[in-house]
Amino acid sequence: QITLKESGPTLVKPTQTLTLTCTFSGFSLSTSGVGVGWIRQPPGKALEWLALIYWNDDKRYSPSLKSRLTITKDTSKNQVVLTMTNMDPVDTATYYCAHRNRYYDSSGYYRDAFDIWGQGTMVTVSS
Amino acid sequence: DIQMTQSPSSLSASVGDRVTITCRASQGISNSLAWYQQKPGKAPKLLLYAASRLESGVPSRFSGSGSGTDYTLTISSLQPEDFATYYCQQYYSTRYTFGQGTKLEIK
Repeated sequence: QITLKESGPTLVKPTQTLTLTCTFSGFSLSTSGVGVGWIRQPPGKALEWLALIYWNDDKRYSPSLKSRLTITKDTSKNQVVLTMTNMDPVDTATYYCAHRNRYYDSSGYYRDAFDIWGQGTMVTVSS
Repeated sequence: DIQMTQSPSSLSASVGDRVTITCRASQGISNSLAWYQQKPGKAPKLLLYAASRLESGVPSRFSGSGSGTDYTLTISSLQPEDFATYYCQQYYSTRYTFGQGTKLEIK
């Protein structure tokens, strides 16, 4: 059974750096095709994809936030860490991590979705 | 970025109704589309991938179709537990993007 859980501060001040940890179980981030992503959701608003790290340490970032984001993994600890610099009140959101495994299913369809999500962690940016 | 536009933004329907939600991509995405359901205070749940493939355990009243830039999610007969917000997400580009969501409410 795959599970993920986000952890980190619930309150950060403007200009500070946010560090969030995703601790997972039930899969290995060294398995080909596997990735862990971060997605956020401001209160009452839509989902926004932030970053993704792959089993081979390849990384992808949202173009609009790329300069502020860093994603890393610690395979031995089953953790993925996201840092976001220069936090602003508009960054107030619930932050989710999610498992992603890309492959072709038994009928040849390409699957590359976020299939298991953590419960999310609410981060408020305020002085 | 590939922009994903959902319509409508909100929808009122009754139990038993058939409803359709549309998602349009700013460029062709070759069926690289997923649909999620999100209930208040909960994480999203994957419903479909590859535009039309039902995720394991998802009821068959959910279906998806489309090609190129235009895709639809259809719920054939609404059940009380289906009232939620639905999001599409493209994975044609590894700069993943979500639609803005469609809130399905009880009429």
